[in-house]
Amino acid sequence: NAGVTQTPKFRILKIGQSMTLQCTQDMNHNYMYWYRQDPGMGLKLIYYSVGAGITDKGEVPNGYNVSRSTTEDFPLRLELAAPSQTSVYFCASSSNPSRETQYFGPGTRLLVL
Amino acid sequence: AQTVTQSQPEMSVQEAETVTLSCTYDTSESDYYLFWYKQPPSRQMILVIRQEAYKQQNATENRFSVNFQKAAKSFSLKISDSQLGDAAMYFCAYLRRGAQKLVFGQGTRLTINP
Repeated sequence: NAGVTQTPKFRILKIGQSMTLQCTQDMNHNYMYWYRQDPGMGLKLIYYSVGAGITDKGEVPNGYNVSRSTTEDFPLRLELAAPSQTSVYFCASSSNPSRETQYFGPGTRLLVL
Repeated sequence: AQTVTQSQPEMSVQEAETVTLSCTYDTSESDYYLFWYKQPPSRQMILVIRQEAYKQQNATENRFSVNFQKAAKSFSLKISDSQLGDAAMYFCAYLRRGAQKLVFGQGTRLTINP
């Protein structure tokens, strides 16, 4: 199992550009999450999904969109990049968040200039 | 809303000694889970230990143990015989039973001095 994979590892965007951060898991987990981690801070939940076709907002959803067309994939879309979106983005998945750990991807570092 | 507070932004300990990281949380729920995650320089988040609120016994995993004080809403992590590989950011997290979302603390950066 590859676990949770994220691409790209690092990206520089100009203000106003758009991009999609990819996340794939091969563990057949229903639950998937997107977090952002600002320097020296904890993780803040952007969006999450409890299964294919179902998504919901987290703590900081503004400026982002997600979709979940398959169990494996949970892409995060930035439509109009802003400097405030400079952060490290983590994708995670879980089979049962109440009883099992969340498995995290390696992260995507995004710099918006 | 639930909140998780880690009041120690940074901690350091000598190799082979014991260190305790603090975590407090605020909730009106009685059934929940608490976690400690480790984030080394590789940035990968790794689960260290998990505690179920309805269990009075403190969780242990090898050199890692917790002191869970439910009434005080405190959940500290003790690392015994510290090793250089323990150097990382440590995050405390809370999950209400039946919920899907973890709430994370701000993190504590742990340095191990050789």
